[in-house]
Amino acid sequence: AQKVTQAQTEISVVEKEDVTLDCVYETRDTTYYLFWYKQPPSGELVFLIRRNSFDEQNEISGRYSWNFQKSTSSFNFTITASQVVDSAVYFCALINNQGGKLIFGQGTELSVKP
Amino acid sequence: NAGVTQTPKFRVLKTGQSMTLLCAQDMNHEYMYWYRQDPGMGLRLIHYSVGEGTTAKGEVPDGYNVSRLKKQNFLLGLESAAPSQTSVYFCASSSGRSARRTDTQYFGPGTRLTVL
Repeated sequence: AQKVTQAQTEISVVEKEDVTLDCVYETRDTTYYLFWYKQPPSGELVFLIRRNSFDEQNEISGRYSWNFQKSTSSFNFTITASQVVDSAVYFCALINNQGGKLIFGQGTELSVKP
Repeated sequence: NAGVTQTPKFRVLKTGQSMTLLCAQDMNHEYMYWYRQDPGMGLRLIHYSVGEGTTAKGEVPDGYNVSRLKKQNFLLGLESAAPSQTSVYFCASSSGRSARRTDTQYFGPGTRLTVL
């Protein structure tokens, strides 16, 4: 069975704080793909990053960074120096190598206050 | 490029009415998907298509039908709407370079449907 767990339902921070969103996944496959999506208050789903199971290198994109650790089945997302515009629901998701269906976590609602 | 677009953005139906949601993509993607998003349930796959003229059931297909007559369009139909179909509906597409459908899925803006 495959599963994605985002244990943090809601997080509230003050602007300029760093914040980490946790994602833990379960899969029996050795080949799989992990994703993060952002859903701002306007409602659309915005793709942020894709990572395959063979690439454990951490990724940094501006204020965003991702830490992928196969040993703990985690793919955590950190926002450095958070801004009000980062306020959104963030979803972690998984596709295994049989393909097709994105398995989403329940999402973490991040609120960044000025 | 507009990416993935959905029509309409909002709709209110009465129980038993029918409607069609339209999804269009201009990225020349082979694969297209319909999801629904409900509070506490995350996103769940309704139907998907791996190419023009082909469709397949997803996780929660009951009460919905789909058609993919043109590569760029994917229609989701509700023949007899029920209150349980009140949800936000998202369309997505992916390139199709991966035969296993593991490509990144890009989503449309969503359609908020209320069934009274």
